Amino acid sequence: KNEVEQSPQNLTAQEGEFITINCSYSVGISALHWLQQHPGGGIVSLFMLSSGKKKHGRLIATINIQEKHSSLHITASHPRDSAVYICAVPAEDKLIFGTGTRLQVFP
Amino acid sequence: ETGVTQSPTHLIKTRGQQVTLRCSSQSGHNTVSWYQQALGQGPQFIFQYYREEENGRGNFPPRFSGLQFPNYSSELNVNALELDDSALYLCASSLKGWETQYFGPGTRLLVL
Repeated sequence: KNEVEQSPQNLTAQEGEFITINCSYSVGISALHWLQQHPGGGIVSLFMLSSGKKKHGRLIATINIQEKHSSLHITASHPRDSAVYICAVPAEDKLIFGTGTRLQVFP
Repeated sequence: ETGVTQSPTHLIKTRGQQVTLRCSSQSGHNTVSWYQQALGQGPQFIFQYYREEENGRGNFPPRFSGLQFPNYSSELNVNALELDDSALYLCASSLKGWETQYFGPGTRLLVL
């Protein structure tokens, strides 16, 4: 069992739909990262959060430390949101990545 | 303010050779981390450097080594290259530790 698990692995949506990606972890953490990776490889950090909720534009990230679970929501999805979304947690002296969720949004 | 840069962008080596990849951190960042991403896989943490000292290491053999310089630029060195070392190598800098990671564009290494 992976220490950081994401679901779903793959997700397709129609433009405008509300998207939820989940991340569960079994290690103790101080914060959790949500990352976005477009085809071609570039990775962008979307959020780093240790409690509650953060919002940036159409993206919302929430975390429940007690339940060891985080969600990334995309409102009014758009084809340019198509990417791989990865959660990552620092644990001791390492950064452990989730398996990634590949999102495709169709017009 | 310049972002994180990496060089070279692409590299082809043969098995057994050695390679050095370079990363220039974002201005003001004293922590740099290196990651390996094989094709179709998620990133794997290699190691992190803070103020020129190794500050954490993933499950990579000693032939993966690094350096961080006083200007906070860094290098990843891989000796005795193996075919499985073919991957995208990413570096990321942060103000401190595991705070927000700012990623470079990566170096694609192909080992033949």
